[in-house]
Order: sequence, then C-alpha cells, then structure tokens
Amino acid sequence: DGGITQSPKYLFRKEGQNVTLSCEQNLNHDAMYWYRQDPGQGLRLIYYSQIVNDFQKGDIAEGYSVSREKKESFPLTVTSAQKNPTAFYLCASSIPSWALNTDTQYFGPGTRLTVL
Amino acid sequence: AQTVTQSQPEMSVQEAETVTLSCTYDTSESDYYLFWYKQPPSRQMILVIRQEAYKQQNATENRFSVNFQKAAKSFSLKISDSQLGDAAMYFCAYRRSRGGSEKLVFGKGTKLTVNP
Repeated sequence: DGGITQSPKYLFRKEGQNVTLSCEQNLNHDAMYWYRQDPGQGLRLIYYSQIVNDFQKGDIAEGYSVSREKKESFPLTVTSAQKNPTAFYLCASSIPSWALNTDTQYFGPGTRLTVL
Repeated sequence: AQTVTQSQPEMSVQEAETVTLSCTYDTSESDYYLFWYKQPPSRQMILVIRQEAYKQQNATENRFSVNFQKAAKSFSLKISDSQLGDAAMYFCAYRRSRGGSEKLVFGKGTKLTVNP
C-alpha cells in the first residue's frame, strides 16, 4: 500500500540526548515536511524539502536538523539544543504545486516524543 | 504573514444533524488553497476537503461542503447528517499557490463532539 510511515509511534528521551525520528514515503512525492503539534495549537512547520539533497528551515527550526539523502526518506533529529522538545511530530509529503492538482499534503501517523 | 483563525475551540452536534465550523484567514495573496483536515483520536491528519481560491464554486465531498467567501476571507465547513465517526479535531489550513512546495498554515483547531 502507498503511504507515509513514521517510526517509532512513541519515543522517550532523556534530557541532553539527541534523537532521530523516521519518516518514509512510497508515494513517489518530491516534497516532504516536518510539523510539530503542541496541545491547543495547530501544526507548525519545522523543516521542508522540495528535492533530494535540499531542504529549508520552517518557522521553528531551532534545535532541529534534517537530511534528505533519498527521495523516500526525510529523518528529523531533535537535538539537545531544542529547549522544549516534548510534542507530537507529523511528517507529510506532496508533489510540488506546479503539477496539476497536486498541492495537497498527505500526513503520516505521527510520533509522540516525550523528554524525561 | 498569513494567519488562520478558528474561533470555536469546541462544538457539539447531535447525530444526523448538521454542524458548521468556522474559519477565517488573513492574506494579501490572490491565489491560494484552503483545506480542512480531520484529526481523530488516532492523531492521523486526514484531508477532508480542499478549495482553490480562483474557483467560485464551493467544494463538496459527500456529506462535507464548504462556504468559501473570498472577499470576507471566510472558509467554513458544513457537515451534514453527522455521524459518530465525525468526532475529531478539525483544522483549517491555508497554502499559497506560488512556487513549488509551500507550507501549510494551520488554525488552532475545533474539537467536534457528536452526541448519539
């Protein structure tokens, strides 16, 4: 089945540790995104990537890093520099909007990160 | 910067009845897309409906329809014949249409309860 997978579903981290969240898609989408969701708030963009080996910072990139070595994969690393990392993280993908009717972003099931 | 406002933190509806969720947005762009996403307790974000700003006709998807008022910058979602499975958080989102990949700007969401 085509779709977006995120792993793990739940992740616990001790303060001061880096942790990497996985996002994989088999939709052949060029663009991928990472969003953060906090209680009572909508999603906020962390990073996005339009093509392999290229990515741009979103609105809240501080304390996060990404890589895009393969079209299918866009892992997010939450570093110790992120002051308040406990949140729900959602990955999304899309075909760039210059393709007809392909402006829609599709989301994975998310990862809940808790810092102990 | 674009902003999206959902003024109803919570709404409730009786099963089989109709409910309307409100959304307003602020932008200086003339061409953009608007979306409603549903987030059930599983927390997966599911696309409900999308609207292109250049289209005057309101989008419909089965029991879901929108009232798009471009001049008023309003984009409400109407759910007809509400079902228990419609209970979820609903997020309104905006995306400008220029360029390739563009981020979604989300409202803070409306929690919909469906009473049997």
